[in-house]
Amino acid sequence: EPEVTQTPSHQVTQMGQEVILRCVPISNHLYFYWYRQILGQKVEFLVSFYNNEISEKSEIFDDQFSVERPDGSNFTLKIRSTKLEDSAMYFCASSGQGTGEAFFGQGTRLTVV
Amino acid sequence: DQQVKQNSPSLSVQEGRISILNCDYTNSMFDYFLWYKKYPAEGPTFLISISSIKDKNEDGRFTVFLNKSAKHLSLHIVPSQPGDSAVYFCAAARRITGGGNKLTFGTGTQLKVEL
Repeated sequence: EPEVTQTPSHQVTQMGQEVILRCVPISNHLYFYWYRQILGQKVEFLVSFYNNEISEKSEIFDDQFSVERPDGSNFTLKIRSTKLEDSAMYFCASSGQGTGEAFFGQGTRLTVV
Repeated sequence: DQQVKQNSPSLSVQEGRISILNCDYTNSMFDYFLWYKKYPAEGPTFLISISSIKDKNEDGRFTVFLNKSAKHLSLHIVPSQPGDSAVYFCAAARRITGGGNKLTFGTGTQLKVEL
């Protein structure tokens, strides 16, 4: 069964460093997303991406964040200068046309120290 | 952001019985409602969805009911099995201009199915 895969599963980084989280969405999906879940809080939307551009982003997704689909299969989230409050599980998701369901990867746990 | 609420943080049910998980929402502009199941250290797994124009959708042991006037939906699992023990998230989907959907999640309900 096709699935969304994310790497790495866990990333520890120092405050102020750049991190890149990687995702391979389901191959015939058109829409790609990043969500995050801070420990003890809700899963929250960060950004959606379609046709090589951002289609919507949340207030959280400020200038420190960027997304890219560099090669037609990978989908990346970059955080330029990490802060302690960026520590969270980051989930990549993808969806096809139609009924709203997005399929999620297993997540990357980002720990900023 | 309290657009989607799950007021029960936990639910315990005996194996074989029905599990009923509840969710309330405040925004009438959602297009779909979805239920996801999540195990620790894994991503949310899609279970079942319902369009905002329907009131019931069934898939095997899982049925989702939507009451638009009450802005309430529920997930019924029958019969419940020990493998159903997980956190269940309700999510509401709004179409994004240009394509795709933005999901707004509830806080989750931890379901425990006991032998």
